[in-house]
Amino acid sequence: EADIYQTPRYLVIGTGKKITLECSQTMGHDKMYWYQQDPGMELHLIHYSYGVNSTEKGDLSSESTVSRIRTEHFPLTLESARPSHTSQYLCASSPRDSLSYNSPLHFGNGTRLTVT
Amino acid sequence: GNSVTQMEGPVTLSEEAFLTINCTYTATGYPSLFWYVQYPGEGLQLLLKATKADDKGSNKGFEATYRKETTSFHLEKGSVQVSDSAVYFCALYGNNRLAFGKGNQVVVIP
Repeated sequence: EADIYQTPRYLVIGTGKKITLECSQTMGHDKMYWYQQDPGMELHLIHYSYGVNSTEKGDLSSESTVSRIRTEHFPLTLESARPSHTSQYLCASSPRDSLSYNSPLHFGNGTRLTVT
Repeated sequence: GNSVTQMEGPVTLSEEAFLTINCTYTATGYPSLFWYVQYPGEGLQLLLKATKADDKGSNKGFEATYRKETTSFHLEKGSVQVSDSAVYFCALYGNNRLAFGKGNQVVVIP
């Protein structure tokens, strides 16, 4: 079973607040990802990292930022939350060998964010 | 670029019915193909995979065959249960990226 944890599971917050969504994995995976999942269920890659001090923007533009100071930790920050940021955020990880046949992504259970 | 297309709309069916979810892909080279499942309130889990043409992935009664000639990877299960109610995503790995389809909600009615 994959060991990747996201906190909080649910967050309701007012407009303008700064928030950080936490993601940690205990598998020693080099690669980590953030996906935004809209109400229609579609997944959009918003950030990824191939290792410590490496971060890249994904396919969907996002106002959030990420950092990767430690291998196991990949937090996502919104400096000023808005209602348009309301969504589910899923964190994932994979080992260094880049999704080889036996190494698919491992997902956390997600954070459901509501900005009022 | 690489992309995955899943059939539109949710799927509602009765228990013990046959399930098919269509998935077609566009890719260069020889991608690996996956089906992921998302149960309510959870993240995605790998359901099955296939790494080359004509491979059949299978797990928990689900099957999908990698068809290069039709660029398809349709998911099938012969007799669904209520516990199979979930969202199913087809995915393709190629060019160092994982591309997901839009997902299909499956609802199994007792």
